[in-house]
Amino acid sequence: DGGITQSPKYLFRKEGQNVTLSCEQNLNHDAMYWYRQDPGQGLRLIYYSQIVNDFQKGDIAEGYSVSREKKESFPLTVTSAQKNPTAFYLCASKGTGSYEQYFGPGTRLTVT
Amino acid sequence: AQRVTQPEKLLSVFKGAPVELKCNYSYSGSPELFWYVQYSRQRLQLLLRHISRESIKGFTADLNKGETSFHLKKPFAQEEDSAMYYCALRGDNFNKFYFGSGTKLNVKP
Repeated sequence: DGGITQSPKYLFRKEGQNVTLSCEQNLNHDAMYWYRQDPGQGLRLIYYSQIVNDFQKGDIAEGYSVSREKKESFPLTVTSAQKNPTAFYLCASKGTGSYEQYFGPGTRLTVT
Repeated sequence: AQRVTQPEKLLSVFKGAPVELKCNYSYSGSPELFWYVQYSRQRLQLLLRHISRESIKGFTADLNKGETSFHLKKPFAQEEDSAMYYCALRGDNFNKFYFGSGTKLNVKP
């Protein structure tokens, strides 16, 4: 399972604090994604980036922010404005011209 | 708007029985449909793509544009098929995907 990594596996934060989730890939993929996975709701797209220094909002971007300064990295910040941040977060990447997304192992964030 | 619907949250079948996981979509153009699978303690991974029209691990899926469906089928389920299955759609933006809510398949011995 190499290629795309997420850290940490588990993350705990107090309400009101911002937290940044890491996603790194060495697959030379241009596109990267952040999804939120909740029971019964499947995968919902938070943000995606098609190229360095560019990103677009997904369906549930409110309360989240991202950056794409390097091709290999696409960190996600969960801000204090996100009303229900406790969830499982999945990062994915995809090569240009390809149809297959490669997923990371996920980060489970718990905010109390 | 694009939408993928998987009506069953949980599907339980006995080993050797046929299985069909339902997926319906809403899209005005020509979509590309996929099935992704997540086995226990493993990453989400691509199972199959409608354009390929191939059978993977005994699973097949046919795109029915008239019924806007892309159901996943297997004639004889195995215990190792137990997993979470997600249907996904890609539209005109080749980099944007829409996922359904997922169906958990439980194959009983």
